[in-house]
Amino acid sequence: QVQLQESGPGLVKPSETLSLTCTVSGGSISNYFWSWIRQPPGKGLEWIGYVYYSGSSNYNPSLKSRLTISVDTSKNQFSLKLSSVTAADTAVYYCARGEYYYDIWGQGTLVTVSS
Amino acid sequence: ETVLTQSPGTLSLSPGERATLSCRASQIVGSTYLAWYQQKPGQAPRLLIYGASSRATGIPDRFSGSGSGTDFTLTISRLEPEDFAVYYCQQYGFSRGSFGPGTKVDIK
Repeated sequence: QVQLQESGPGLVKPSETLSLTCTVSGGSISNYFWSWIRQPPGKGLEWIGYVYYSGSSNYNPSLKSRLTISVDTSKNQFSLKLSSVTAADTAVYYCARGEYYYDIWGQGTLVTVSS
Repeated sequence: ETVLTQSPGTLSLSPGERATLSCRASQIVGSTYLAWYQQKPGQAPRLLIYGASSRATGIPDRFSGSGSGTDFTLTISRLEPEDFAVYYCQQYGFSRGSFGPGTKVDIK
């Protein structure tokens, strides 16, 4: 069955760029939308954005100026880059499959923004 | 931006009881675009319901979703011990998604 796995640094300094990759295994990345969702510690879920396997994307307007979501079909991966991070970006970051609902999720990775 | 409000914030019930969770949207949500998730501590959310009333693969039939427009409901007909968790509704509209703040169902 399809599985997702997030990877990337667990600690990022303020003002730097947070970079995460989600690897899709057990199936093809083609013909699906792929999303990122985050959850600050002890808080609720926030939609970040999605990318289609073709490369088209859509972002949360509150993050759009700092955000890039891309896809690499040759590696069956998609990625998130969030620039100029602050402590408010500290969260568990989840990758998930879907455009307007999410049926498969990664386990999540905690990213802490701190000097 | 569509804001989702969930009530109650916490629902204290006993196993075997019926749970009724509410999700209200600040503007009309197309039924296709309303989903419910269950999240347990330390775990990723799990899709329960999509399209307002369709059960996701492998979800027991004690979970059901209903509603349209701005008012949606998730019902758990008889609570099992593994159902005590936080439940989120989620919508997608106007080219962006958003989640409600969640309802915690805990053991009375």
